[in-house]
Amino acid sequence: EADIYQTPRYLVIGTGKKITLECSQTMGHDKMYWYQQDPGMELHLIHYSYGVNSTEKGDLSSESTVSRIRTEHFPLTLESARPSHTSQYLCASSAGTSGSLYEQYFGPGTRLTVT
Amino acid sequence: KQEVTQIPAALSVPEGENLVLNCSFTDSAIYNLQWFRQDPGKGLTSLLLIQSSQREQTSGRLNASLDKSSGRSTLYIAASQPGDSATYLCAVRRRQGAQKLVFGQGTRLTINP
Repeated sequence: EADIYQTPRYLVIGTGKKITLECSQTMGHDKMYWYQQDPGMELHLIHYSYGVNSTEKGDLSSESTVSRIRTEHFPLTLESARPSHTSQYLCASSAGTSGSLYEQYFGPGTRLTVT
Repeated sequence: KQEVTQIPAALSVPEGENLVLNCSFTDSAIYNLQWFRQDPGKGLTSLLLIQSSQREQTSGRLNASLDKSSGRSTLYIAASQPGDSATYLCAVRRRQGAQKLVFGQGTRLTINP
């Protein structure tokens, strides 16, 4: 079983608050990813990182930002939460080498509700 | 642009039946395809990863096949059990460049005791 953790698991906050969703992995993976998933819908990549100090925007535009200061840590921040940000946020990581087949391992997710 | 479609969106079958979940993709230039399971409100668990050069992969009661030229993959579940109830997602990874996955919407499977 993969060792990738997300906190909090559930979060209900008011509009305008700043929040940070935490993601950590203990596998030493270089590549990390954030996906957004609305209920009953497919996952969409919103951010990814190839390694420390590397961050890229994903396929779906997002008002969130990410940082990668340490290999094991990839936090996602919303400066001013809005009801449209209500969704499930999933973090993933992969070894990022062809020998690993780039298989991604997922965390349990954070379900965010903005009121 | 790669698009992934899963049919049906939902499936309900009695316990013990064998069943097939379908996944189709529009661009055959894939590196590999991954099947996941997602329980309600939870993250994704990887079930099988099948390389573009492979035709099938097996793990226990699960068998995934890949026909890259026709843009299709199937996940076969043998002797289904109530514990198999979950949403099953397929995702494809592009051949070149970033290791990003493109997901289908999933098939919500219910196994009735």
